[in-house]
Amino acid sequence: GAGVSQSPSNKVTEKGKDVELRCDPISGHTALYWYRQSLGQGLEFLIYFQGNSAPDKSGLPSDRFSAERTGGSVSTLTIQRTQQEDSAVYLCASSLVSSPLSGELFFGEGSRLTVL
Amino acid sequence: AQRVTQPEKLLSVFKGAPVELKCNYSYSGSPELFWYVQYSRQRLQLLLRHISRESIKGFTADLNKGETSFHLKKPFAQEEDSAMYYCALKATGRRALTFGSGTRLQVQP
Repeated sequence: GAGVSQSPSNKVTEKGKDVELRCDPISGHTALYWYRQSLGQGLEFLIYFQGNSAPDKSGLPSDRFSAERTGGSVSTLTIQRTQQEDSAVYLCASSLVSSPLSGELFFGEGSRLTVL
Repeated sequence: AQRVTQPEKLLSVFKGAPVELKCNYSYSGSPELFWYVQYSRQRLQLLLRHISRESIKGFTADLNKGETSFHLKKPFAQEEDSAMYYCALKATGRRALTFGSGTRLQVQP
């Protein structure tokens, strides 16, 4: 079966524009995560969704960032009024919450965002 | 709050040499620790988990609570081990992992 799917794979935008990044998790995975991967910064947690529970938004860096997950499946990460420091690879991951292999996240290939 | 530190950005070794990728953590509770790996042009994937006490691709990692470390080791590096390695911590009651900044391992022929 397919793994976590992200689109677009590459996005170049101008400063001040809004962007939307999409994540399609592995079927049956109830947990979904967004991380940001910046050069030299490692992976920075952004937001976590679990079923119908309120999302953990503690990692969102500013109110320009938001995310939603519709129908417990596909998720969209939106960045409003993009800034050059938003340039990074945005990674989505999903996992089985009930899995005995707790902590195993399955990652997508990422969406590389470049803000000019 | 928890924190994961990987002090080396780049580690370069020759094929057949031993490898140790360092990971230190800061967390007041009892952590679960992981190593993730990203090979060139591949997705980030789980390499191993401390509670499994497993050896994957010749790599092992031991949790040292006294030193708050979880170093990744391999006795004889291979060229195919060249990749980016991330140490990660899962805090009790929290699903999201906290990752370190990563170490790039370069194994030269």
